[in-house]
This record gives sequence, structure tokens and C-alpha cells, in this order.
Amino acid sequence: QQKVQQSPESLSVPEGGMASFNCTSSDRNFQYFWWYRQHSGEGPKALMSIFSDGDKKEGRFTAHLNKASLHVSLHIRDSQPSDSALYFCAASEQGGSGNKLIFGTGTLLSVKP
Amino acid sequence: EAAVTQSPRNKVAVTGGKVTLSCNQTNNHNNMYWYRQDTGHGLRLIHYSYGAGSTEKGDIPDGYKASRPSQENFSLILELATPSQTSVYFCASGVDIYEQYFGPGTRLTVL
Repeated sequence: QQKVQQSPESLSVPEGGMASFNCTSSDRNFQYFWWYRQHSGEGPKALMSIFSDGDKKEGRFTAHLNKASLHVSLHIRDSQPSDSALYFCAASEQGGSGNKLIFGTGTLLSVKP
Repeated sequence: EAAVTQSPRNKVAVTGGKVTLSCNQTNNHNNMYWYRQDTGHGLRLIHYSYGAGSTEKGDIPDGYKASRPSQENFSLILELATPSQTSVYFCASGVDIYEQYFGPGTRLTVL
């Protein structure tokens, strides 16, 4: 069973609209969460991290974490065509040597001009 | 900007053949990782390493070996390639809980 579940599988929003992604973990040991973005033909690139409960805002991107419900979300306001990509949620248990990330299956975002 | 390179970028192999995928990082990161990406599965960890000389099994290690001869280099070895190993493979490097930096990927097709 996938330890990190993402929804929706795909999403289409108009340019300037809000895109929202959801991620739920089944493992209460996960303490650190990341959002990664992957444009077609490239490797994934870290978008933002969130380690504490609540909201974290970076420009047009806002992440929210609720450790009690094991839920993390990402919201993109004023979406641009360049935001069209595959978005992954990733979680890890702890720091230290070899820190392993467990990735979700991804959400494909399409932003229509 | 942290740099991770992979070679080859594309590879076609025959069933039963040996395949070696190479990864180099100039970030001086202790940790390196090999993932495969398949539709519907996201990124799955195959092997990882804490530093030169160390390799650890990830979540799907069967059919793969890894080698970390130096801080900079991390290889993934398929001794007997099978069609089920057709995939896109990504190498990454990182430190502790901080972000992982990914390479551009290798597309492997096993016929």
C-alpha cells in the first residue's frame, strides 16, 4: 500500500486560477514533508518544505500541514502556464544519515492560457 | 546551483544483459539515491548511500546492485536486465533532511 497518497491524479485550471493538491500519509512516523515539481523531460526539483503544523507561504505557493490528521496540502494562486508540471508530495521519518524520502504518485497540473 | 549528472541519458539493452547507470554529483553531499519512475507509482527508492563505500537497500532493491566508490560517484547495476526494468531512472544527492537534488534522468528500455 502506498504510504503517501496524493489527490487528485490530474488537475486543469485556467491561467490566473488556484490549483490545490492534497497528500495524506499512512505513517505517523513521518515528520518532514516536501513538495517537488517535475517539468516534462526533467528531474524533480524541490519546491518547498514544511516541517511544522500550520501554513507556510513562499510567493504564490502556500503549503499547509496538519500532523494530527497526517494531511499536507499545496496551493498555487495566480497559476501560470509555466506551472504546468507533475507535483509530488514526499515525506521522511527523520533526519540523520541516509534520510529517505517516500514519494506519492503525483498530481499532473495543466494550466490553460 | 547543485549539480547532478547522469549517463547515459538513454539506453537500450537486451534481456539478460548487464546495464550500468552512472551518476556524478559536485555538491559534496554525503547521501546519494537511485529512484525509478513509473506511471502510477511515482518515484520509488531502489538503493541509497550514506557516503563512499556504503550502499543500502531501498524499497525495491530486487534485481539491482549499487556501488559508491567515491563521494562524487554512485552507480546502479542491473546484472541481468529484464523488460520489467524498463523505466526512467533518477539519481539524487542530499544532506540530512534537506532537499534532494535530482539529475536529468536515464531512460532505459530493455527489449
